[in-house]
Amino acid sequence: DVKVTQSSRYLVKRTGEKVFLECVQDMDHENMFWYRQDPGLGLRLIYFSYDVKMKEKGDIPEGYSVSREKKERFSLILESASTNQTSMYLCASSASYTRAETQYFGPGTRLLVL
Amino acid sequence: GQQVMQIPQYQHVQEGEDFTTYCNSSTTLSNIQWYKQRPGGHPVFLIQLVKSGEVKKQKRLTFQFGEAKKNSSLHITATQTTDVGTYFCAGPNAGGTSYGKLTFGQGTILTVHP
Repeated sequence: DVKVTQSSRYLVKRTGEKVFLECVQDMDHENMFWYRQDPGLGLRLIYFSYDVKMKEKGDIPEGYSVSREKKERFSLILESASTNQTSMYLCASSASYTRAETQYFGPGTRLLVL
Repeated sequence: GQQVMQIPQYQHVQEGEDFTTYCNSSTTLSNIQWYKQRPGGHPVFLIQLVKSGEVKKQKRLTFQFGEAKKNSSLHITATQTTDVGTYFCAGPNAGGTSYGKLTFGQGTILTVHP
């Protein structure tokens, strides 16, 4: 079974703090994704990576950056957290960048920025 | 850009009633995927449809892919309380190098009253 894990289930941070969200997958998947989920807005793609050190902006990249130094690990960074970044953050992975395959999601991190 | 619209946003049913959610894409899709997210959980892959007019069943769930490959539906017969959750459709990003990205609909939140 594919397993995607995220470093925290719940996180509380203060405005202006730098926040790191980590995601690890154990199936040697090429693709990894970061989404945020807000009520009524579904899943919105922040960033994705199709290979180590490769990254592409998604639909809402502003205020975020990412890092993928190893194939199994994809980090989302909030350089200076703001209250409008309070949300549920979901990491996902899929096998191949050549076609849109099933995405496997982690349990999510619920972030509250005060 | 590509849009995937899903209706209704919310659906409340009595246990035993049927439920349908509809998904429409602004572009022709090579395939469509459906995911379910239980309350407090993360999205989990249910099924993928590939062929025009395809119909697939999973017990009480029936999935259809439209003839033009731009719309899809999920129908649940005789809902049970275990069906509660948010149902998402998702289609591959159109054109260019998609790198395995999916565009998700906003989701339909299903509530089942016992």
